[in-house]
Amino acid sequence: EAGVTQFPSHSVIEKGQTVTLRCDPISGHDNLYWYRRVMGKEIKFLLHFVKESKQDESGMPNNRFLAERTGGTYSTLKVQPAELEDSGVYFCASSYGGSGYEQYFGPGTRLTVT
Amino acid sequence: QKEVEQNSGPLSVPEGAIASLNCTYSDRVSQSFFWYRQYSGKSPELIMSIYSNGDKEDGRFTAQLNKASQYVSLLIRDSQPSDSATYLCAVYGGSQGNLIFGKGTKLSVKP
Repeated sequence: EAGVTQFPSHSVIEKGQTVTLRCDPISGHDNLYWYRRVMGKEIKFLLHFVKESKQDESGMPNNRFLAERTGGTYSTLKVQPAELEDSGVYFCASSYGGSGYEQYFGPGTRLTVT
Repeated sequence: QKEVEQNSGPLSVPEGAIASLNCTYSDRVSQSFFWYRQYSGKSPELIMSIYSNGDKEDGRFTAQLNKASQYVSLLIRDSQPSDSATYLCAVYGGSQGNLIFGKGTKLSVKP
């Protein structure tokens, strides 16, 4: 069974540019999560999809971040315009169920904003 | 603010010894607890989940949970150099589906 995949693995962009990250969850997992790890800090929750619906987006830092999950399959996270403080590793995770279920993480996208 | 605290380490143990990793959490309503292993530059890999008070064993790993003390630990028996990694404690944030992570403990197993 294929795991969670993310694309790209690395992205270097300039401040003010736009970047779109993609996540493909494990097949059959309705729950998809985005997390971010900023250097020196713990991994922090961004948002949670159940199928195509946003269940919880309380962790999104501001309106420069837009997440979508069209058709309840893969998800994209767009940052527009990017700021220096957006640099970090963006992880996607998926789970079969919601609260309490085991979450499986993708390899992450390392975003560097210069 | 719900928090998960871990000793950042590094924790150094000799090969073959028992490594003990500890974690405390602030939210009393938390019901689900997880340990992830993360090698440098890689994704967090789920190694243990625990939901009830007491011990849960899986191979060389034992997770221990004490909800009254808001404490969860991970024991690694017969530690191997390949166990050298950062271990992340994660707790479900109450009724929400998101995990709350600690900063992780870096473990180094010396041959």
